[in-house]
Amino acid sequence: ETGVTQSPTHLIKTRGQQVTLRCSSQSGHNTVSWYQQALGQGPQFIFQYYREEENGRGNFPPRFSGLQFPNYSSELNVNALELDDSALYLCASSQGDEQFFGPGTRLTVL
Amino acid sequence: DQQVKQNSPSLSVQEGRISILNCDYTNSMFDYFLWYKKYPAEGPTFLISISSIKDKNEDGRFTVFLNKSAKHLSLHIVPSQPGDSAVYFCAASVQRANSKLTFGKGITLSVRP
Repeated sequence: ETGVTQSPTHLIKTRGQQVTLRCSSQSGHNTVSWYQQALGQGPQFIFQYYREEENGRGNFPPRFSGLQFPNYSSELNVNALELDDSALYLCASSQGDEQFFGPGTRLTVL
Repeated sequence: DQQVKQNSPSLSVQEGRISILNCDYTNSMFDYFLWYKKYPAEGPTFLISISSIKDKNEDGRFTVFLNKSAKHLSLHIVPSQPGDSAVYFCAASVQRANSKLTFGKGITLSVRP
């Protein structure tokens, strides 16, 4: 059984650019959540998708958007990047109670 | 406003001894609590959870205690092993574990051989 995978592993962007991060869910999982983990902080909930529909959103501005595809893989898009967007972005897939996290994408905004 | 607090940033214990990791929360709506363990360059891994209807849950060397009146939970690891050295996150959710998780800042546990 393949676990949750994320791509790319690392990414460097400049302020104002746009970025797309990708997540492949664990097989059979229909729910995916995205979290932002800034340095020295715990992960913060961005949003969750269930069967391709947004199913809850945290305190993040609209320039953070997402998609979930029919195969339950997911994308996180961030527009107009700001320096404070530099963080580790984690996705987690679930079906049932437990959320399984991927290794994350480290985004650096210069 | 941090709703889940892990006030100690680090803990160092001797191999074989007990590790006690503490967590406090402020939101009375939380009714499901989880502990995650994170190694560098890996995502958080689920360790153990507890529902608000219980005050204790055990899984091998790991036990989580919940004190609802004090809004406090703790993770006990007995005996501690060097492989337990990692960052431990306390997390909480409303209604079910599959929903939005609110995490603490984490505590770095070092187990000395």
